Amino acid sequence: NAGVTQTPKFQVLKTGQSMTLQCAQDMNHEYMSWYRQDPGMGLRLIHYSVGAGITDQGEVPNGYNVSRSTTEDFPLRLLSAAPSQTSVYFCASQGVGNQPQHFGDGTRLSIL
Amino acid sequence: QQQVKQSPQSLIVQKGGISIINCAYENTAFDYFPWYQQFPGKGPALLIAIRPDVSEKKEGRFTISFNKSAKQFSLHIMDSQPGDSATYFCAASEVDYKLSFGAGTTVTVRA
Repeated sequence: NAGVTQTPKFQVLKTGQSMTLQCAQDMNHEYMSWYRQDPGMGLRLIHYSVGAGITDQGEVPNGYNVSRSTTEDFPLRLLSAAPSQTSVYFCASQGVGNQPQHFGDGTRLSIL
Repeated sequence: QQQVKQSPQSLIVQKGGISIINCAYENTAFDYFPWYQQFPGKGPALLIAIRPDVSEKKEGRFTISFNKSAKQFSLHIMDSQPGDSATYFCAASEVDYKLSFGAGTTVTVRA
């Protein structure tokens, strides 16, 4: 079972560039989320989705867009990268009914 | 402003010792309190979780203690082993899929 798969694992961007972080899960989970992890701040919720076609903002949504066209995929888009978005990004999925969140292994993003 | 405050930032414990990590929260609507374990280069993985209707939950060497009136909860790692060396995050949520995480505690177990 692949679980939650994130691509790419590493990426370096220049300020102003755009890119999409991919996230796919094969557990048929309804809930999916994106977090960023920064030193001394834990994980902060960026956007989340409770099902295909439904997304909402988390704690730190500015500068990021998401869409959920299928149950399996939940891509995160940076429209115009800024150095403040240098971070490790984690995607997570969760089934309904008190199920644990399953995390991918992260995308390490550096913006110069 | 973090909704869940976690301490200490790091700790070192000898093999066989007890590791204790504390978390505090303000939002009384939180009703789910999980702990996650993270190894370098990996995503967090659920370790143990508790709901506020119980004051303690134990799974193997890991125990959560929960004090609803004080709005505090803690993780105890008994008989700590070198394989327990990792970063531990407490979290809390009103609905299961919207977690608020603490800042994390790096635990180092010395052999």
